[in-house]
Amino acid sequence: QKEVEQNSGPLSVPEGAIASLNCTYSDRGSQSFFWYRQYSGKSPELIMSIYSNGDKEDGRFTAQLNKASQYVSLLIRDSQPSDSATYLCAVNSYDKVIFGPGTSLSVIP
Amino acid sequence: GAVVSQHPSWVICKSGTSVKIECRSLDFQATTMFWYRQFPKQSLMLMATSNEGSKATYEQGVEKDKFLINHASLTLSTLTVTSAHPEDSSFYICSARDVSGLLPKGSTDTQYFGPGTRLTVL
Repeated sequence: QKEVEQNSGPLSVPEGAIASLNCTYSDRGSQSFFWYRQYSGKSPELIMSIYSNGDKEDGRFTAQLNKASQYVSLLIRDSQPSDSATYLCAVNSYDKVIFGPGTSLSVIP
Repeated sequence: GAVVSQHPSWVICKSGTSVKIECRSLDFQATTMFWYRQFPKQSLMLMATSNEGSKATYEQGVEKDKFLINHASLTLSTLTVTSAHPEDSSFYICSARDVSGLLPKGSTDTQYFGPGTRLTVL
């Protein structure tokens, strides 16, 4: 069974802090990794994709990938209340993208 | 770029009726579209993979005769919930995969989601 695991949370951080979201996956053959944000009652929105080991930055978001450890993370710098949402980690496995259960993030003003 | 639309955004129907949901990729071509269902406070559940010009591939436990999928063009897939019952009430979301890989942030296996359709069966 190919799986993607995330801490369900909720993860609470104060406004302005760094939020760190973690994800592990079981398929060593996975090559593509994605982070989506989902607000309550809305559909997921792509934040970032990452394909190579190391860090990838986009604005306040940094994705980190370590294929040897089968680990991918998302850092959100200068967290804002508008970042409060569920963050979904997604990993490609064969011809499918497998989604994790999501981590609920709450940014406290 | 990467706009996916769904119609309708919400629908209320009586038990036993059929409901059709459309999913369109507006500014890119999608040979593959995906249909998900999400119950409150639960994660996305993949129902089926829709391939343009061929039969859909359903996930284990999803009734193909109840959830009819048609992917007639590179920009349109439809999901029909036949003989809907209250337990089918859920948030149905489609996604489309950009075959070109040229859209920002993405590659050929990146999925872009539609806004979802909230189905309520009375």
